Formats: sequence, C-alpha cells, structure tokens
Amino acid sequence: DAGVIQSPRHEVTEMGQEVTLRCKPISGHNSLFWYRQTMMRGLELLIYFNNNVPIDDSGMPEDRFSAKMPNASFSTLKIQPSEPRDSAVYFCASSFVVVRSSYNEQFFGPGTRLTVL
Amino acid sequence: GENVEQHPSTLSVQEGDSAVIKCTYSDSASNYFPWYKQELGKGPQLIIDIRSNVGEKKDQRIAVTLNKTAKHFSLHITETQPEDSAVYFCAARGEYGNKLVFGAGTILRVKS
Repeated sequence: DAGVIQSPRHEVTEMGQEVTLRCKPISGHNSLFWYRQTMMRGLELLIYFNNNVPIDDSGMPEDRFSAKMPNASFSTLKIQPSEPRDSAVYFCASSFVVVRSSYNEQFFGPGTRLTVL
Repeated sequence: GENVEQHPSTLSVQEGDSAVIKCTYSDSASNYFPWYKQELGKGPQLIIDIRSNVGEKKDQRIAVTLNKTAKHFSLHITETQPEDSAVYFCAARGEYGNKLVFGAGTILRVKS
C-alpha cells in the first residue's frame, strides 16, 4: 500500500498567487482530513470529508481557503489569494470509518511545505 | 469544544531512561485518545491509542494510561533509544464524529 500521497511536497509561491495542494487517500478509506501545522498553532484540523461530503469545515481560516473531494481517490485544498501567513506544512490524512463511534486510525501523508513570499 | 493540553514541550533523557509525557482534556465525552510520533520531514504516525473503557495499554516499550475522572492521559516510554527522538502528539476525540483535537506536541531528545 502506497499510503496517503500528497503533492507537491514543497511549494514556494508569491503573495497573491493561487495555490493548489493535492491528496490521494489510501484506497478503500472513506474519510479524509486536511490539517495545517505551524510552530505557533500546532496541528489544526481545517476540514474533513466523509464519503466525499464535507462534514466539518469550521477550521477553515478564511474564504480564501476552499477544499473539494470530487471522488473517493482525490482531494484538493486551494488557497486563493495566498498570503505569507499561510506558510505552513499542510497534511492530508485518511481513515476508514464504519460507524460514527468507531475508533479508526488516521493515516497521515508526508505533507506539503508551503512558503508564501 | 475539546481542548487538549500537553506537557512538557521539550524533554531530554539519557538513553535507557524512561520518558513520560502528560496530556489533559476538557470534554468529558471524549472517548478515544491516540498518540502520534512525528519524525523530521514526515507526517505523524500512530504509535498507540487507548479507549475510554480501559485504564492502561501497553505495547513493548510504550504504554499509555488514562484517568477519566481527572481527564488526563499519559505516554510512558521505557528504555529509551536514540531512534525514539521525535515530536510526540497526544489527541482526543469526542463521543461522535471523527474529529481529533491535538496537543501542542513534545520534542523528545534521547541522548546517547
């Protein structure tokens, strides 16, 4: 199993540009999570999907951030326009959940290190 | 909502000694508590977890204890080795849903 795949691994862009981060979850998993990690705020959940449907987007910081999951094997996190304070490592994670109260491990991808100049 | 506090923020131990990391949570309905290890340049990886219906769980050199009354849980690593050096995160999840709330992390350094 290839695990959770994220691309790109590193992204350097200028303020105001659009940034798109990509994630391929583990095959068969039905939940997908986007996290942001910074020194100041630690590991924060931005949004998560169940069966391709966004369930909780309360962590999305601003309207500049949007996430989609068009099918079970692909998700994107887009920032438009990007700002220097968006610089962080963005992780995608996936899990397989049978019922709401299941205790299912979240498998993290290697992350995308985003630098906005 | 849930709030998870983690201590200490950094921990240095001599190889072979034990390391203990402690976390407290605020939501008494939380019922699942995983611990993740993050190595440099990698994503967090689950190392052990505990459910609210047990007080202790052990896996080789790693153990986790849970005190539901006090709402705190701890990670214990015995006979530490240099490869245990990493950032460790605790997390808690509420009764329903899949949302994990993470602690701020502990940088563990094992000196050889």
